[in-house]
Amino acid sequence: QKEVEQNSGPLSVPEGAIASLNCTYSDRGSQSFFWYRQYSGKSPELIMSIYSNGDKEDGRFTAQLNKASQYVSLLIRDSQPSDSATYLCAVNPYNQAGTALIFGKGTTLSVSS
Amino acid sequence: EAQVTQNPRYLITVTGKKLTVTCSQNMNHEYMSWYRQDPGLGLRQIYYSMNVEVTDKGDVPEGYKVSRKEKRNFPLILESPSPNQTSLYFCASSSRLGLNSPLHFGNGTRLTVT
Repeated sequence: QKEVEQNSGPLSVPEGAIASLNCTYSDRGSQSFFWYRQYSGKSPELIMSIYSNGDKEDGRFTAQLNKASQYVSLLIRDSQPSDSATYLCAVNPYNQAGTALIFGKGTTLSVSS
Repeated sequence: EAQVTQNPRYLITVTGKKLTVTCSQNMNHEYMSWYRQDPGLGLRQIYYSMNVEVTDKGDVPEGYKVSRKEKRNFPLILESPSPNQTSLYFCASSSRLGLNSPLHFGNGTRLTVT
């Protein structure tokens, strides 16, 4: 069974700090990686995608991918209270019919003002 | 606006009373899927469809049915709902199954079965 693992948290950071969210995956053949943000009771919202090793930056968000270590991370700079949410890591599995993405269970982030 | 539309947003029903949750997407996506989300269990796939008239079971299909008669619509049917199907349900679609294709989610349906 291919898996995506995340620490459930909660991860608590003060406003203005850097929040670091981590994710590991078991399928070495995975090639597409996504981060979704989900507010309580709402639907997951895509915030970042990354396909190549290294860093990808978009505003206050940076996704980092290390395929050799099977590790994906999301950094949120200058964290704001509005960033408080659950962050889902999702991985496109290699050759697993019918499964668009495998999701981790999410890390809850709490940003205090 | 490109979107996945689910209805209803909230539904309270009784055990055994058949219900349908509708899902429609306007992005001409081939792939559609239903998930349920429960505390501590994350998103679990119920059924998926690779294209019109092609559907298959996900991880937790028991007690659910789906159909894909048109590309844009993918309804979820509960023939005889039970309390253990109380959950938050999401429909999602993707342009294709494969690389670099994120899922786009509907707004969710919160179902309570008493």
